[in-house]
Amino acid sequence: ETGVTQSPTHLIKTRGQQVTLRCSSQSGHNTVSWYQQALGQGPQFIFQYYREEENGRGNFPPRFSGLQFPNYSSELNVNALELDDSALYLCASSFSLTATRGKQYFGPGTRLTVT
Amino acid sequence: AQKITQTQPGMFVQEKEAVTLDCTYDTSDPSYGLFWYKQPSSGEMIFLIYQGSYDQQNATEGRYSLNFQKARKSANLVISASQLGDSAMYFCANRDDGAGSYQLTFGKGTKLSVIP
Repeated sequence: ETGVTQSPTHLIKTRGQQVTLRCSSQSGHNTVSWYQQALGQGPQFIFQYYREEENGRGNFPPRFSGLQFPNYSSELNVNALELDDSALYLCASSFSLTATRGKQYFGPGTRLTVT
Repeated sequence: AQKITQTQPGMFVQEKEAVTLDCTYDTSDPSYGLFWYKQPSSGEMIFLIYQGSYDQQNATEGRYSLNFQKARKSANLVISASQLGDSAMYFCANRDDGAGSYQLTFGKGTKLSVIP
């Protein structure tokens, strides 16, 4: 186990609703990245937070937003859910931004289903 | 933009045999990193091995080794002495240094099945 936890494990939402996913990074890690993994695909980078500030964003619309808290845990918020948002959402943490060049530790993911 | 190509959607290997999973990448950045992750059916991405673009030697981690051919832009994963627990999805990923966020770009993955 990596020490990265995510909640909830599974979630079912209706199109148009809003959802919040949570990630607790490994102790001492100040950098968190979020990825979306659609069925049968590799993960895609959503955004990264470093010391509570967004530090890079992938090709995702503004309805995907995030937060990082002083304890370095993080949230991913998705507004106006669409059917295509159904995916496994993974968070990954690393000891520092520079350490992100090397190993990132992934959590078990949250599986979101939008109906 | 980074691009990762994994041309083998699925692979079979006999237990205790070695297997090579292919990965090619496309980047113009002289500084980059290459990773392999294992994803069992539980969903968690498990780090296997890392190779930096300036590393002189191929990376090895236990039964895993990375066959890094820089001129060909390939970074194949070699698993020696396959075990039943190696059955999983395997993803090759490239680290993008240009934006400063060191985000990972993943391929579509290869499903490895180990046969007893």
